Amino acid sequence: DIQMTQSPSTLSASVGDRVTITCRASESVSMWLAWHQQKPGKAPKRLIYGTAILGTNVPSRFSGSGSGTEFTLTISSLQPDDFATYFCQQYNTDPWTFGQGTKVEMK
Amino acid sequence: EVQLVESGGGLVQPGGSLRLSCVASGFSFSSVEMTWVRQAPGKGLEYVSYISSSGNAFYYADSVKGRFTISRDNAKNSLYLQMNSLRAEDTALYYCARYKSLDYWGQGTLVTVSS
Repeated sequence: DIQMTQSPSTLSASVGDRVTITCRASESVSMWLAWHQQKPGKAPKRLIYGTAILGTNVPSRFSGSGSGTEFTLTISSLQPDDFATYFCQQYNTDPWTFGQGTKVEMK
Repeated sequence: EVQLVESGGGLVQPGGSLRLSCVASGFSFSSVEMTWVRQAPGKGLEYVSYISSSGNAFYYADSVKGRFTISRDNAKNSLYLQMNSLRAEDTALYYCARYKSLDYWGQGTLVTVSS
């Protein structure tokens, strides 16, 4: 199985900060990488797919980049609604696999 | 509006069975591949199973292979997960989601395996 490793596991930040989360794959997943946001007690919500394509109604402060084995999710200016846990997910190779999650908390 | 509504979860003893359902609305269900994902309490996300739009292709995580069966009824806009030989480690919130990239998720149904 392809292992997905996110860093950091926890990130403390303030409103207005630029935030970057990294996701590394144990082998190439080409561009087949998605990012999901999850808030406590809620279902995940897909933010980005195909590495860099913004999902429907996702604010433009979110962006994704990378290819192959290294990917990043960037929030250009953190907003109060963005404090949550973020997961990367590869869907290039069955079984699809997820990163362990990055919790973005208030500093 | 896309909606996915899971049901069928509950408390079951180890070795027991459950059948989860996911009813879809707001899109052409028969054209869309579907995925089950689970999340153990306080843990991360784990892929469980995938089925193609026609139902002719399906995959399973190694942890459930041979015990779980995914199926769909396109006439009823419904996705299913038959879970047999349940174990304590299957305890989780089970979500259905669309496509491999999981663009829309249901709210989940809780499965608790305990004696």
